[in-house]
Amino acid sequence: QVTLRESGPALVKPTQTLTLTCTFSGFSLTTSEMSVTWIRQPPGKALEWLARIDWDDDKYYSTSLKTRLTISKDTSKNQVVLTMTNMDPVDTGTYYCARSLATYYYYYMDVWGKGTTVTVSS
Amino acid sequence: DLQLTQSPSSLSASVGDRVTITCRASQNIRNYLNWYQQRPGQAPKLLIYAASRLHGGVPSRFSGSGSGTDYTLTITSLQPEDFATYYCQQSYSTPSYTFGQGTKLEI
Repeated sequence: QVTLRESGPALVKPTQTLTLTCTFSGFSLTTSEMSVTWIRQPPGKALEWLARIDWDDDKYYSTSLKTRLTISKDTSKNQVVLTMTNMDPVDTGTYYCARSLATYYYYYMDVWGKGTTVTVSS
Repeated sequence: DLQLTQSPSSLSASVGDRVTITCRASQNIRNYLNWYQQRPGQAPKLLIYAASRLHGGVPSRFSGSGSGTDYTLTITSLQPEDFATYYCQQSYSTPSYTFGQGTKLEI
């Protein structure tokens, strides 16, 4: 059974750096075509794709947020970490990690964590 | 970035109805289009990938079609659990794999 769980601070101050950890089980990030993706959702708004890291350590970032995001993996711990610098109140929302499969023909997120809520406020 | 526009933004229907949600891309995305369902307070769930491939465990009343810039999600014989928000997502244009703005399906 594939599961993912997001963890991190519930509250961060403006200008601080947010560090979120996705801990997963039931698959390996050393397996070809496997990847982990981060997505967020402001309250009452649409989903926003943030970043992805592949089994071979290829990384992809949202064009609008790439200067603030860093994604990394620790395959020995089955974890993926996302950092976002210079947090602002508009970054408030629920942050999800998801297992994703990426090939030449498709890329999709098939199993999602429950999400973690982050509030940015002084 | 490539843009996705869903229509309608909201939709009212009844149990047993057939509904169609449209997703239009700002350029040809060559069937690299996924659909997700999100119920209130829950994480999204994958329904359809590669425009028309049904994800495992998803009921057959869900189907996807389309090509080029225009794609549709169709739900036949609506069930009570289908009332949710639906998102399309393009997986063609790296690096940003954008989502549509969502379609809320209400009773």
